[in-house]
Formats: sequence, C-alpha cells, structure tokens
Amino acid sequence: AQSVSQHNHHVILSEAASLELGCNYSYGGTVNLFWYVQYPGQHLQLLLKYFSGDPLVKGIKGFEAEFIKSKFSFNLRKPSVQWSDTAEYFCAVNADTYSGAGSYQLTFGKGTKLSVIP
Amino acid sequence: DTEVTQTPKHLVMGMTNKKSLKCEQHMGHRAMYWYKQKAKKPPELMFVYSYEKLSINESVPSRFSPECPNSSLLNLHLHALQPEDSALYLCASSRRGDTQYFGPGTRLTVL
Repeated sequence: AQSVSQHNHHVILSEAASLELGCNYSYGGTVNLFWYVQYPGQHLQLLLKYFSGDPLVKGIKGFEAEFIKSKFSFNLRKPSVQWSDTAEYFCAVNADTYSGAGSYQLTFGKGTKLSVIP
Repeated sequence: DTEVTQTPKHLVMGMTNKKSLKCEQHMGHRAMYWYKQKAKKPPELMFVYSYEKLSINESVPSRFSPECPNSSLLNLHLHALQPEDSALYLCASSRRGDTQYFGPGTRLTVL
C-alpha cells in the first residue's frame, strides 16, 4: 500500500517569500504524483501533476514541483507567494499500473495549511 | 472543460431522513468517485465506479448507497445517517485511473 507524508502542518509566510512544501511517498513501484490546492471554502483544484518525463513540472499560478525518485519526494515550490495563495495544499499519489492507467486509489497526504501575511 | 458539478451545495437532514446527493460530469470520464472530507483533513475515498460498475467500496456503512445511472451521473443515497456523518462530500471523475477532477462538494449536516 502507498502512503504520503507532508512534513509541515502549517506554514506561515510573508508576501514575496519563497515557498517549499515537502512531500514524500512510500511505494515500491511507479507512481503518478499530484498537488491539489483547496482555497478557503472552495473545492479541490489540481495545481500540477507528474506522470513521467521531465521531473520538474510546472503548474498553474506559478507553482512548480520536482520529482526526485531517489528520495521518493515531490516537493512543491513557488518563488514568491501572494496573499491569495493562502490555502490548504495536498500532495497525492496513485500507483501506475502495468497498463499505463493509474490506480483508482488516490492516496492523500494530511495537507499543509499555508497562511500568507500581507 | 474540467467541470464536475454537485447538487445540492448544502444539505441539512435529520437522522431519519432519506436524501440523495448528485454529481454530474460531461468530460467523457469513465471513472467516478465519492469522497468524504472532514474539516482540516484530507479526502477519504468511499466508492469508485468504473464504466458504471462499482469497483471499490472502502467498507462504507450501508446507510450510504451509491448509484451510477449512466456514465455522466453519480448519486449517493443517504438514509438513517448519524451526526458524525456530517462532512463535505466530494465527487470526482477521471478518464481512467489518472487525474481526478473534483466537484465543489455538498456540505452535509446531520442533526
């Protein structure tokens, strides 16, 4: 079974500070990796995803993430955060099956709450 | 278009009521999901439908009954719920087992 750990429960930053949120997963096989964001009172939105290829993936709103296979990590970064980035961020993983389609079971980390102070 | 719609947005029900949650997508996705999300927690998978057949039931109590009438619709029938079932219920869909797109959720309160 796969598991996902997010290192930080709550991160507080000032505007323009750089952001890095940690995510490590535990699974022996090939995985698909995701970061979702949930703004206050809103639904889960996909920020970015990694299936294969270039391990540095770019997402919406200036976010990027780097897959480091040797470290089982998929950390989320943004060079300069804004107040509007205040949200809950979830890392998620599903196992890639032999057929190339992912497993239906998406495992989420516990989430990191980001508070950006104007 | 990556839109998943859910109705109602909010639902308050008593423990003896029967109600249903609805989810719809028109992206041609063949997998649809129900999740339960408690405050400040990640979503927990409840059910997965693949090609309109129930493929995963994560040991959910029988007071929750899913239904997939066609490839675009997913229902969750609720009966005799408990106050601890109060949560945000999220629907998601995916082409197969790849990227899941989530709806806005139904916030359920059980009195």
